[in-house]
Amino acid sequence: QKEVEQDPGPLSVPEGAIVSLNCTYSNSAFQYFMWYRQYSRKGPELLMYTYSSGNKEDGRFTAQVDKSSKYISLFIRDSQPSDSATYLCAIHSGGYQKVTFGTGTKLQVIP
Amino acid sequence: GAVVSQHPSWVICKSGTSVKIECRSLDFQATTMFWYRQFPKQSLMLMATSNEGSKATYEQGVEKDKFLINHASLTLSTLTVTSAHPEDSSFYICSASLQRSGANVLTFGAGSRLTVL
Repeated sequence: QKEVEQDPGPLSVPEGAIVSLNCTYSNSAFQYFMWYRQYSRKGPELLMYTYSSGNKEDGRFTAQVDKSSKYISLFIRDSQPSDSATYLCAIHSGGYQKVTFGTGTKLQVIP
Repeated sequence: GAVVSQHPSWVICKSGTSVKIECRSLDFQATTMFWYRQFPKQSLMLMATSNEGSKATYEQGVEKDKFLINHASLTLSTLTVTSAHPEDSSFYICSASLQRSGANVLTFGAGSRLTVL
């Protein structure tokens, strides 16, 4: 079983839709959860990071963590064509421990 | 904010030659940097952890003599692909580690696309 599972997509949605991106993980030692966005041929950029279970909101983006289910989500409201990218979840157990990435979900927002 | 500069952004080389990729933290000191490799439509594969002033820690299956990593200062880490072969063609990305409230938040460079002919 992989440490982090993420549906690779691709996921196509119309502009303005609410997007839900998800990851599951297997190790309960993981405590920190991050979402990165990667445009084609570019390095990933950090969108959000969270520690505890619950929701964290930043503009149109909401990160949700459910530690009991080992399930994390990223919601994008009012999706825009500029949101078209690959979204990677990343988790780790703290400190300078290795960060484990999901495979990434490719999102396309159609105008 | 934290910025990591990586260059070259792309490089084409002949088989058997060596290629050096540089990764710099521009506005902060990075005692720890990470080097990743990414294949098309796949996630990031950690190659090694680069620690300033000490030897890099390589992941299982990564040849340390093939992928030489040097982290001589707090702002610069380099990856040298030695005697490159076509199978080394890939997208290489570096990242620097920043601690934020206990989270190991990675700031990535823009990546370097290597093509070995």
